[in-house]
Amino acid sequence: QKEVEQNSGPLSVPEGAIASLNCTYSDRGSQSFFWYRQYSGKSPELIMFIYSNGDKEDGRFTAQLNKASQYVSLLIRDSQPSDSATYLCAFTGTASKLTFGTGTRLQVTL
Amino acid sequence: AAGVIQSPRHLIKEKRETATLKCYPIPRHDTVYWYQQGPGQDPQFLISFYEKMQSDKGSIPDRFSAQQFSDYHSELNMSSLELGDSALYFCASSPGLVGGYEQYFGPGTRLTVT
Repeated sequence: QKEVEQNSGPLSVPEGAIASLNCTYSDRGSQSFFWYRQYSGKSPELIMFIYSNGDKEDGRFTAQLNKASQYVSLLIRDSQPSDSATYLCAFTGTASKLTFGTGTRLQVTL
Repeated sequence: AAGVIQSPRHLIKEKRETATLKCYPIPRHDTVYWYQQGPGQDPQFLISFYEKMQSDKGSIPDRFSAQQFSDYHSELNMSSLELGDSALYFCASSPGLVGGYEQYFGPGTRLTVT
């Protein structure tokens, strides 16, 4: 079992809708959580990071963390075709290296 | 804002050759990470450096070595290349070593081994 689990998708949402991406992790020592967006053949781009339980909002993006349930999610409001990409969930624990999930492919349709 | 710089962006090598990948972190970032991403896979951690010292080591083959220099740039040296080494290699930098610091990725080097 991977340390970080994500639904590989594709997750298809219409333009303007809310996209909900989910991630579960197995290491209770995980401390910090990150969402990266990656377009095909490009490098991961940091979208959001969250350290504490609860919600964190930045523009159209909201990250949610529930450490008791070992669950982190990313909501994208007013989804745009340019949001179509693979979204990688990652965490760091006591070590600073990132451990990634396999990513969820998001498709925003017109 | 300045970003992480990697060179070269593309590299084609034959089996058993050597390759050197370079990474220039964001100014004032003292921590560098190397990741390898195979086709259709998530990035896998290779090695990291903090203040020119190796800070952590992941699934890096013994054929690979890396170091961080006094100006904080880092180089990944890969010898006896194998077909399976073909991948995207990313460098990331952060302003500190503690796990809470965000890591920013460079554009990557696409290595093709023939």
